[in-house]
Amino acid sequence: AQTVTQSQPEMSVQEAETVTLSCTYDTSENNYYLFWYKQPPSRQMILVIRQEAYKQQNATENRFSVNFQKAAKSFSLKISDSQLGDTAMYFCAFMKHVPNTGNQFYFGTGTSLTVIP
Amino acid sequence: DAGVIQSPRHEVTEMGQEVTLRCKPISGHNSLFWYRQTMMRGLELLIYFNNNVPIDDSGMPEDRFSAKMPNASFSTLKIQPSEPRDSAVYFCASSLRARGNTEAFFGQGTRLTVV
Repeated sequence: AQTVTQSQPEMSVQEAETVTLSCTYDTSENNYYLFWYKQPPSRQMILVIRQEAYKQQNATENRFSVNFQKAAKSFSLKISDSQLGDTAMYFCAFMKHVPNTGNQFYFGTGTSLTVIP
Repeated sequence: DAGVIQSPRHEVTEMGQEVTLRCKPISGHNSLFWYRQTMMRGLELLIYFNNNVPIDDSGMPEDRFSAKMPNASFSTLKIQPSEPRDSAVYFCASSLRARGNTEAFFGQGTRLTVV
C-alpha cells in the first residue's frame, strides 16, 4: 500500500519570504505522479503543482516549485515570495494508474500554512 | 464545464436521520471518489468507482454508509442512521481514467453536521 507522510502539521512564514513544505511517500511503483493541492478557507481543493515520476526535472509553477528526490521518495514544495493568499492547508498526494481500475490517489494529512503580514 | 458539483453545500440533521449527499462528476471522467475530511483524520478515502463500478470501498467506516453510482453522471453517499461522529466535510472528486498527466478534480464539499 502507498502512504504519504507530511510531518509538519503547521507552519508559518513572513510575507515575501520563502517556505518549504515537506512530503515523503512510500511505494514500490516506478511510474506514478505526485501533486500538491491547496485548500484555502473556502475549502475548495485546488491543484498547485504536479510532477511525473519519470521526469527528473523539478516542476515549477510561478512562485511554486518542487524538489523531487525519487530515490529518497521525497517531494517537497517551495513557495517563494509568500503572499497572504497562500494561507491554506496544503496536501501532498500520490497517484498511480492501475490498468482496468483507474487512477488511485493517496493523500497526506496536510500542512496548515499561515502567511504572516 | 462547471466542474464537480456537490449538493447540498451544508447539511444539518438530527442523529438517527438518513442523510444523502450527491455528486455530479465532470463530464467524461470515469473515476469518482468520495472523501471525508475531519480535523482528527485529515482526508480519508471512503470509496471509489471506475466506470460506475465500486472498486475499493475499504474506507467506508461501517454498514451505515453506502454509496451508489447508477450512471456516469451521478453518485450518492448515504448515511443511515446518522450519528454525531459522522460530522465532517465530505468531498467528491473525479478523474479521467487514463495514463498521463491527470489529477483529481474536487467538488466544493458538503459540510455535514449531525446533532
